[in-house]
Amino acid sequence: GENVEQHPSTLSVQEGDSAVIKCTYSDSASNYFPWYKQELGKGPQLIIDIRSNVGEKKDQRIAVTLNKTAKHFSLHITETQPEDSAVYFCAATPGGYQKVTFGTGTKLQVIP
Amino acid sequence: EAQVTQNPRYLITVTGKKLTVTCSQNMNHEYMSWYRQDPGLGLRQIYYSMNVEVTDKGDVPEGYKVSRKEKRNFPLILESPSPNQTSLYFCASSPSPSGGGNEQFFGPGTRLTVL
Repeated sequence: GENVEQHPSTLSVQEGDSAVIKCTYSDSASNYFPWYKQELGKGPQLIIDIRSNVGEKKDQRIAVTLNKTAKHFSLHITETQPEDSAVYFCAATPGGYQKVTFGTGTKLQVIP
Repeated sequence: EAQVTQNPRYLITVTGKKLTVTCSQNMNHEYMSWYRQDPGLGLRQIYYSMNVEVTDKGDVPEGYKVSRKEKRNFPLILESPSPNQTSLYFCASSPSPSGGGNEQFFGPGTRLTVL
C-alpha cells in the first residue's frame, strides 16, 4: 500500500519568512496530492492540490511542487503571517474512488 | 450551507458499550470516508464508501463497522469499543472524482474517549 512521509513535524518561522514542508510517497500509481490545513478544534480544509500531470501550482502565497520521478512533493508558503499557524497535512491517492493516505502532519508556528 | 455534520461532538463511554457516530452531508457527494487522528500518526483512513451500498476498508478498519444505506449518511459503528479506540474521528465527503482525486470536505470531528 501507499506510504506517505512528511517532514518536518514542527516548524517555527518568523513572520514574513517562507516555510517549506516536504512529503514523499511510495506508490507510483498515486496521481492526486492535496494539502490540508487544520486549525485548532476544526476539521482539515483543502488549501491547494496538484495532479500528477502538473509539476507546479501556485495560489497567491501558497505553491506546491511535484517531482514524480523522485516521488516527492512540497508545500511552499511565502510571506508567512500569524494566521498561517496551524497543522498541515499532505496526502496521496491513486485517484478515483480509492484509499487516501495522509502524512503525519506538520505543526507550523509563525512568530510575530 | 454546504457542510458535513457529525454527532456527537464529544463522547465518553466504557469498554464494550456499543456506540454509533453519525455523519451526514448535504452536498450530494458520492464518496464518504472516516478517519481517526492520533498524535504523531496523522490522519488514518478507517473505511470509505464510493456510493450507496459500496464500502471498503481503509488502513485501520479493525474494530469498526460502517454502512451506507443512503447517499447522505455514513455512520461509524463501534460494536465493542476498547481504550485503544480513544481518538479524534473525522468524517469527510467528496464529489465524484474527475481526472482522479478530489477535494474532501471534513466534518468538525468527534472526540471519543473509551474508559
